[in-house]
Amino acid sequence: GDSVTQMEGPVTLSEEAFLTINCTYTATGYPSLFWYVQYPGEGLQLLLKATKADDKGSNKGFEATYRKETTSFHLEKGSVQVSDSAVYFCALSDQGGGNKLTFGTGTQLKVEL
Amino acid sequence: DAGITQSPRHKVTETGTPVTLRCHQTENHRYMYWYRQDPGHGLRLIHYSYGVKDTDKGEVSDGYSVSRSKTEDFLLTLESATSSQTSVYFCAISDSSNQPQHFGDGTRLSIL
Repeated sequence: GDSVTQMEGPVTLSEEAFLTINCTYTATGYPSLFWYVQYPGEGLQLLLKATKADDKGSNKGFEATYRKETTSFHLEKGSVQVSDSAVYFCALSDQGGGNKLTFGTGTQLKVEL
Repeated sequence: DAGITQSPRHKVTETGTPVTLRCHQTENHRYMYWYRQDPGHGLRLIHYSYGVKDTDKGEVSDGYSVSRSKTEDFLLTLESATSSQTSVYFCAISDSSNQPQHFGDGTRLSIL
């Protein structure tokens, strides 16, 4: 079945550092890929998405490129802020109908001054 | 923000009791989902609905049932709660099979 693997956290960075959170996937067909962010005590918010190979999703300075050849969708940001501290989830959507999401286990990011 | 309301937001109950969680949407979206979030597992799909009275099982459906009698409401029922069902439960909605899901704020359920 479908699966998503993302790097374990927590990831601790200083403000203005470069961020990479790795995400790889296993899926049949051509899934859509997503990054969601969860702030403490809140639900998940869609951060960005990509629906086909070589698409780049971007939002709020975050970017991720759908790499079919490496089955990856790594999240990057050039300069993190304290307000970026949250848990980040990589997910894929099946193409078999139902739009069901398969999530990675989440990566906690802590940004310090 | 997508109009999704989960109730209750917090609940503590005892093993063996029935529990119903409600998800209410004001977006008239066709698809609705229930997930549970547990440490080390991310979010896992319990059940989903693709229309009124149309539901299907997800990855972790054992011990749960759902109902959708109206477009706007999707109920998750634990017929006889067990401690292993202590979790945070999230509802999500989507208006089509190729659109992102939007999530509610979650229900924290503790079963003692």
